[in-house]
Amino acid sequence: QVTLKESGPVLVKPTETLTLTCTVSGFSLSNARMGVSWIRQPPGKALEWLAHIFSNDEKSYSTSLKSRLTISKDTSKSQVVLTMTNMDPVDTATYYCARMGGSGAPDAFDIWGQGTMVTVSS
Amino acid sequence: QSVLTQPPSVSAAPGQKVTISCSGSSSNIGNNYVSWYQQLPGTAPKLLIYDNNKRPSGIPDRFSGSKSGTSATLGITGLQTGDEADYYCGTWDSSLSARHVVFGGGTKLTVL
Repeated sequence: QVTLKESGPVLVKPTETLTLTCTVSGFSLSNARMGVSWIRQPPGKALEWLAHIFSNDEKSYSTSLKSRLTISKDTSKSQVVLTMTNMDPVDTATYYCARMGGSGAPDAFDIWGQGTMVTVSS
Repeated sequence: QSVLTQPPSVSAAPGQKVTISCSGSSSNIGNNYVSWYQQLPGTAPKLLIYDNNKRPSGIPDRFSGSKSGTSATLGITGLQTGDEADYYCGTWDSSLSARHVVFGGGTKLTVL
């Protein structure tokens, strides 16, 4: 069974750096054509894609947030990590990680984590 | 402001059919596959359609997808109250000299 699970702080202060971890199971992060993205959703608002890491370690970032984001992976630990610097209250959202490239869907997110709610407040 | 444009809401009666549009440009929908996601209240999104018109295993054939030019459409027939959810389209975008994923603003489906 393929699963993804997000973990990280529930509350961060403005200007702090957020570090989120996505732990995957049921597949390997080195599988060709598979990658993992981070996607967020502020309360009551739409999905916003943040970053993606491919099986070959190539990375893509949201153009508007690129300067604040870093995505990386540890294949041996089956983990994908996202860091976001200089957090602001507008970054309050549920953060999801999702797999792309599985289930015969090379360009779609076939499996999503349950999401983790992050609140930015002093 | 989302890169892909969806109607904020649609509604129809149980048993009826509804379509949800997703409009983009040549840098995204026009040259990439479109996927659709269903998000029931309080849950993570779920893949409904990929590669414009393919359904993952377990998704009923009441759900269909199509693409023409720079627009895509999700169709749902035989509406059920359990279909009430937010629906999002998504695709890759190749503008600004880098590839990135874009989503629509979401469409809230109400089954009257």
